[in-house]
Amino acid sequence: DAGVIQSPRHEVTEMGQEVTLRCKPISGHDYLFWYRQTMMRGLELLIYFNNNVPIDDSGMPEDRFSAKMPNASFSTLKIQPSEPRDSAVYFCASNPSGSNNEQFFGPGTRLTVL
Amino acid sequence: GQQVMQIPQYQHVQEGEDFTTYCNSSTTLSNIQWYKQRPGGHPVFLIQLVKSGEVKKQKRLTFQFGEAKKNSSLHITATQTTDVGTYFCAGADNYGQNFVFGPGTRLSVLP
Repeated sequence: DAGVIQSPRHEVTEMGQEVTLRCKPISGHDYLFWYRQTMMRGLELLIYFNNNVPIDDSGMPEDRFSAKMPNASFSTLKIQPSEPRDSAVYFCASNPSGSNNEQFFGPGTRLTVL
Repeated sequence: GQQVMQIPQYQHVQEGEDFTTYCNSSTTLSNIQWYKQRPGGHPVFLIQLVKSGEVKKQKRLTFQFGEAKKNSSLHITATQTTDVGTYFCAGADNYGQNFVFGPGTRLSVLP
């Protein structure tokens, strides 16, 4: 298996632009997690899905952030409009059985908002 | 809400020295997970502890889960340069909710 796949790996955009991050979980994994990592705040859980349904989005910072999972093999995290403080590394992770068990992380997307 | 703290924040050791990082939760955890993130990389799962007082070993790494299931430690014996990275603990509360990562301990190993 190729593991969790994320794209793009790097994204540089200007403030106010829309940004879409993509994730393909490991086949057969029912849970998908989106994290944000910054020096100041560490690794934060933004939202997670079970069987394509959002279960907990309490970590989503504000309405500018939205996440979807239209099918079992694809998820997006969208920021609209983007702001410089959104600059971070965004990780997607998946596992077959929930946050209480091993999570498999993707390589991350490094987002820079100018 | 649940908070997970780790100390120290940074640790610099000479190759061959031992290293320990400590993880403390404000609430009882259902289990504790440990991850390692190499510089520029992504977190990679190391181990999960479930039982009160549990101790597990992986080669030079020893993991402990406290009796009260509120703290944990990771000890590395005779560090090597390949041990460089940030070590995170993570856990959920007793209901399996509120999964959070600790802030991590960044380990540097000088050859």
